Amino acid sequence: RKEVEQDPGPFNVPEGATVAFNCTYSNSASQSFFWYRQDCRKEPKLLMSVYSSGNEDGRFTAQLNRASQYISLLIRDSKLSDSATYLCVVNRYGQNFVFGPGTRLSVLP
Amino acid sequence: NAGVTQTPKFQVLKTGQSMTLQCAQDMNHNSMYWYRQDPGMGLRLIYYSASEGTTDKGEVPNGYNVSRLNKREFSLRLESAAPSQTSVYFCASSDTGGASEQYFGPGTRLTVT
Repeated sequence: RKEVEQDPGPFNVPEGATVAFNCTYSNSASQSFFWYRQDCRKEPKLLMSVYSSGNEDGRFTAQLNRASQYISLLIRDSKLSDSATYLCVVNRYGQNFVFGPGTRLSVLP
Repeated sequence: NAGVTQTPKFQVLKTGQSMTLQCAQDMNHNSMYWYRQDPGMGLRLIYYSASEGTTDKGEVPNGYNVSRLNKREFSLRLESAAPSQTSVYFCASSDTGGASEQYFGPGTRLTVT
């Protein structure tokens, strides 16, 4: 089993839709959590960190459930520019980052 | 502010050739990383350097060596390239390691024939 797993995708949604991505991690020692965004043939870039209490940044909301070892990302009012691959990332302090395989999103006009 | 830079952007090697991928960051970060990204596999860590003077193996270190030349620079060397090393290679850096955002370079697209 992979240490970080994500919805396989792809997700094809119309503009304005709400879409949710799920991520699970297997190592209970994981301490920090992130969502990255990767555009086609580009480098990953941080979308948002994920905090225990949940956090929101504009149209994006991230949730963490440590008991279930589950992370989610909700995108409201999807834009064409949201089309990308979304990477779930976990880290155990002092050790390396582990990336999920990514979920591809296509927002359609 | 350049962030993380990588050279070259593209490279084609023949099996058995060697090459070094260069990475530099200008953000005064302590930690640096090398990843490879293959279709359907996500990013996998090859080596990382938690601070100047230290390097550690990641998930897929075989066939690679690294050098943390100074705080700014972290190079990845393929001694004898194999077709299985065809991939996109990303260098990244972060400030304090696990709690901090990673910043990535633009990647090197390597093909080994």
